[in-house]
Amino acid sequence: AQSVTQLGSHVSVSEGALVLLRCNYSSSVPPYLFWYVQYPNQGLQLLLKYTTGATLVKGINGFEAEFKKSETSFHLTKPSAHMSDAAEYFCAVSPRGAQKLVFGQGTRLTINP
Amino acid sequence: DTGVSQNPRHKITKRGQNVTFRCDPISEHNRLYWYRQTLGQGPEFLTYFQNEAQLEKSRLLSDRFSAERPKGSFSTLEIQRTEQGDSAMYLCASSLRTGDGNQPQHFGDGTRLSIL
Repeated sequence: AQSVTQLGSHVSVSEGALVLLRCNYSSSVPPYLFWYVQYPNQGLQLLLKYTTGATLVKGINGFEAEFKKSETSFHLTKPSAHMSDAAEYFCAVSPRGAQKLVFGQGTRLTINP
Repeated sequence: DTGVSQNPRHKITKRGQNVTFRCDPISEHNRLYWYRQTLGQGPEFLTYFQNEAQLEKSRLLSDRFSAERPKGSFSTLEIQRTEQGDSAMYLCASSLRTGDGNQPQHFGDGTRLSIL
């Protein structure tokens, strides 16, 4: 069965610093990969996705992620953190041929002024 | 695009009562999904519909849970004889059917269920 591991349940960075949120998946066949963001008491908003093609994917709000097949990773980065980036971030995979999303446990991002 | 709408946003009920949640997907989306999210965890898949057909159910969906999408538009999720462990956020998502799963799912704001 597919699984997703997000290293670090809580990440704290200073405003303006690099944001790096880690995601690894377990699968012999690369799945479709997604990052979602969740603000308090709200649903999930899609940040970006990887399906095929270019392995560096750009998303909304200045975020990007790189698919590395050899490392089974899909880490999320943003060069300069903003206070409004404080939220919960979820990495998710969709096995090819399946419809459901399998989520990681989430990483809470805190931005220090 | 009015987004995925879920009602109610919050539901508080006593243990043993039945509850029903409603989800209205994005109008042109033919796939609809239900997930459950407990505090501090990622969402877990419950079930999904393509049009009115329920095509997959998770083992998490016990016999106390039932989901319907009678006309292929809105969906309802009913929980009978609620238990403390049912307390969670119930999320609905919708997507277009193209390809084999690479269309992103769009989520509603969820219904938070609290069992007293």
